[in-house]
Amino acid sequence: GAVVSQHPSRVICKSGTSVKIECRSLDFQATTMFWYRQFPKQSLMLMATSNEGSKATYEQGVEKDKFLINHASLTLSTLTVTSAHPEDSSFYICSARDPLANYGYTFGSGTRLTVV
Amino acid sequence: AQSVTQLDSQVPVFEEAPVELRCNYSSSVSVYLFWYVQYPNQGLQLLLKYLSGSTLVKGINGFEAEFNKSQTSFHLRKPSVHISDTAEYFCAVSPHGGKAGTASKLTFGTGTRLQVTL
Repeated sequence: GAVVSQHPSRVICKSGTSVKIECRSLDFQATTMFWYRQFPKQSLMLMATSNEGSKATYEQGVEKDKFLINHASLTLSTLTVTSAHPEDSSFYICSARDPLANYGYTFGSGTRLTVV
Repeated sequence: AQSVTQLDSQVPVFEEAPVELRCNYSSSVSVYLFWYVQYPNQGLQLLLKYLSGSTLVKGINGFEAEFNKSQTSFHLRKPSVHISDTAEYFCAVSPHGGKAGTASKLTFGTGTRLQVTL
């Protein structure tokens, strides 16, 4: 199936700084990417849907100014956590529709963000 | 809107024993159903999915699931588990419809931790 490469896998940053997470679709074009957040031992909560060339659609309760999403090309979507705080520490995962699988989705390997 | 319920947060089982992980869903429209597995600090890997047709779906690693429309369930089963099956399992749904080629968002259950021991 199709592969989504997510980077970095782990990042530690200081409070108040910003962190960028990248997701790249390899060998396929992803017009839509989904960004999820996962707290320890909990499910994945959809944060936003990014669409190439247009503004992202955020889920209710997600701060647009804190979690900046950019989908500038058909193979790259980025999530920037701005002015990070310890409560932003979490596991972030991106996902895209797998064009090689009938109604399948492929997921990135996730980013463990720790804000100290 | 859709919702997914995984009643069992943890399921301990001995190696080579059978296992069933339960999943029930609620939706006002028809849905596609999925089971994913997540190993520690990793993304999700698709085990199997139900789109249409036969209600018994076979997936990877010896897992299978049965779609029961009347009970709105999609329970995951494996006749004999292995230590390597220890992981978090998520049931998810996605609504039918939308434009061809577009992606609909997945709604996940809270997950079931399968712990296989000797």
